[in-house]
Amino acid sequence: GIQVEQSPPDLILQEGANSTLRCNFSDSVNNLQWFHQNPWGQLINLFYIPSGTKQNGRLSATTVATERYSLLYISSSQTTDSGVYFCAVALNTGTASKLTFGTGTRLQVTL
Amino acid sequence: EAGVVQSPRYKIIEKKQPVAFWCNPISGHNTLYWYRQNLGQGPELLIRYENEEAVDDSQLPKDRFSAERLKGVDSTLKIQPAELGDSAVYLCASSLATGDLPSGANVLTFGAGSRLTVL
Repeated sequence: GIQVEQSPPDLILQEGANSTLRCNFSDSVNNLQWFHQNPWGQLINLFYIPSGTKQNGRLSATTVATERYSLLYISSSQTTDSGVYFCAVALNTGTASKLTFGTGTRLQVTL
Repeated sequence: EAGVVQSPRYKIIEKKQPVAFWCNPISGHNTLYWYRQNLGQGPELLIRYENEEAVDDSQLPKDRFSAERLKGVDSTLKIQPAELGDSAVYLCASSLATGDLPSGANVLTFGAGSRLTVL
């Protein structure tokens, strides 16, 4: 099956700092989503971004499908950004809804 | 609009006991997923429904796990008998699209999860 690798596995930032999270995947995809799992376990969809660039407030994401990676940018981080960020992808073979998750990047934002 | 609703939020049982989890997806969402998330890992798909049909259950341990989605709305995931290794969070998600439409309709909305502890 498709492999999804995320880096870094852990990240500690001071409030106000910027960060870049990376997601590498092993095959062509037509579905890529970024999720944030808050400390209470709730998974929230951040972006649906199989290609191109999107921005939502302090967050933005870029996917370069031909090179099989996606980046999530967090600017001016806040303590509420803490949690685990997951990248999830689905193969371009008629199983677009079968998302495979990476192991996540655990982010801690400190005061 | 209510999101994906799951119950119970927490369940503690002894091994060999049965347990069931319930999920009510977002109204109108015809695709429903059950994922299992072990501690420190990403969610792993157990089963995916399109309406009432299970279209992908290849990763569901069928010797002890079963699921149903009667009438294509609510779904129940059952484990019988539970084993120690089943301790995890069981997540339900739903989306609007079916099949392999490459569109934003495939965006998943997750419930809060059901945390199972097997002693």
